[in-house]
Amino acid sequence: GQQLNQSPQSMFIQEGEDVSMNCTSSSIFNTWLWYKQDPGEGPVLLIALYKAGELTSNGRLTAQFGITRKDSFLNISASIPSDVGIYFCAGHTGTASKLTFGTGTRLQVTL
Amino acid sequence: DSGVTQTPKHLITATGQRVTLRCSPRSGDLSVYWYQQSLDQGLQFLIQYYNGEERAKGNILERFSAQQFPDLHSELNLSSLELGDSALYFCASGGNQPQHFGDGTRLSIL
Repeated sequence: GQQLNQSPQSMFIQEGEDVSMNCTSSSIFNTWLWYKQDPGEGPVLLIALYKAGELTSNGRLTAQFGITRKDSFLNISASIPSDVGIYFCAGHTGTASKLTFGTGTRLQVTL
Repeated sequence: DSGVTQTPKHLITATGQRVTLRCSPRSGDLSVYWYQQSLDQGLQFLIQYYNGEERAKGNILERFSAQQFPDLHSELNLSSLELGDSALYFCASGGNQPQHFGDGTRLSIL
């Protein structure tokens, strides 16, 4: 099935550092979502983006909906140990439609 | 807590068997989505139901089927199980809001 290209695949960073990851698609999406998944749990919604160019923050997290509608970016500022996990981008083309997921970025934070 | 409930949390069975996974959506959500997550494939959409009717199909095998009941809970039926069916199966619910996921059922085929 189709997957969005997400990079980097994994990151090892030190506590306090900022993190950037992105997601690209060959198709246009109307909504971009960012999820975080911890081991043994389901993906948890972090940020939802609904308009091209939109920039939205949730605490230390900031995400942007690319102007072309084919990409999105997630930044985490001043990382802390609990930021460890796998971050997934996801897009969908319309209301109540299926999500297409990115391949995930695994984030590891060292003290 | 996402409000989406999945049971069982773990399921261990043998090849050739049949299992049923259950999902209760968040209150007020009419849509239920099923996804499969395996190590090498990421999260793959299987099927969507909306208010009891099938709305969209993804990469769902013919050995798999689903249904949504009048109370909006959904069941995913997996039959003639193969080793490659071992994976995490997630249910999500939503509507006009972004989808929220349950904690999944981990299916292990021995």
